[in-house]
Amino acid sequence: NAGVTQTPKFQVLKTGQSMTLQCAQDMNHEYMSWYRQDPGMGLRLIHYSVGAGITDQGEVPNGYNVSRSTTEDFPLRLLSAAPSQTSVYFCASSPGANYGYTFGSGTRLTVV
Amino acid sequence: QQPVQSPQAVILREGEDAVINCSSSKALYSVHWYRQKHGEAPVFLMILLKGGEQKGHEKISASFNEKKQQSSLYLTASQLSYSGTYFCGTQRSGTYKYIFGTGTRLKVLA
Repeated sequence: NAGVTQTPKFQVLKTGQSMTLQCAQDMNHEYMSWYRQDPGMGLRLIHYSVGAGITDQGEVPNGYNVSRSTTEDFPLRLLSAAPSQTSVYFCASSPGANYGYTFGSGTRLTVV
Repeated sequence: QQPVQSPQAVILREGEDAVINCSSSKALYSVHWYRQKHGEAPVFLMILLKGGEQKGHEKISASFNEKKQQSSLYLTASQLSYSGTYFCGTQRSGTYKYIFGTGTRLKVLA
C-alpha cells in the first residue's frame, strides 16, 4: 500500500517550458487535490476533484490544468512555466467529506 | 479566503500547554487539523464536523464552535515531538473546496 505517490520529487524548468506533475493513489479515494506551498503562505489550493471526470478550480488555478480520467490518477499540468510558479507542490487524497487527507511527499519545482 | 490562525508562532518548554486557534469568515462544514514537520508533508491529526464536538488524539484535542466558525487545538503537556507547523483545514458548507489556514509554528524546547 503506497498511499499517495508524487513524481518527480525535484524538477528544474526554464521559463516557458511545460510539464506534468504526476500524482497517483492506491487507496480508492474519491477526493483529490493539488496544493502549492510557498514560504509564509501556507498551503493554497490549485485544483481539486471529487471523482473521476469531475474537477474544479481552487484558490490559485491560473497557469495550471488538471484532468481526472481515473480514480487513481490526478496529474497537474503547468502550461508555460513562470518563476512565480517556483514552489513545493503537494497532492492529497481523501475518501470523502468526513475524512482527513493523506498527502504525497511533494514535488519541489524551480523555474529559472 | 484563508482561515486565520493565531498565534502565528509559539515557543514552549516541555510539559507546557498551548492553544492554537483557527477562525473563518464563512460557514463551515468541517475543520481538520494537521501537523507538518520541516521538509515533510502535512500529517492529518483529527477532523471535527458541525455540532461542536470535541475530539482527542493522544494529548492533543480540539473543539469546533459552529456558530462562531472557530476551532481550537489544545496541546497539553507538550513533548519535543510536537514541534512543527500546525494547519487547520476547512471545508465550507455547500462546497467541496478544502482550504488551509495560515499556519502556526510551534517549537518545544527541552
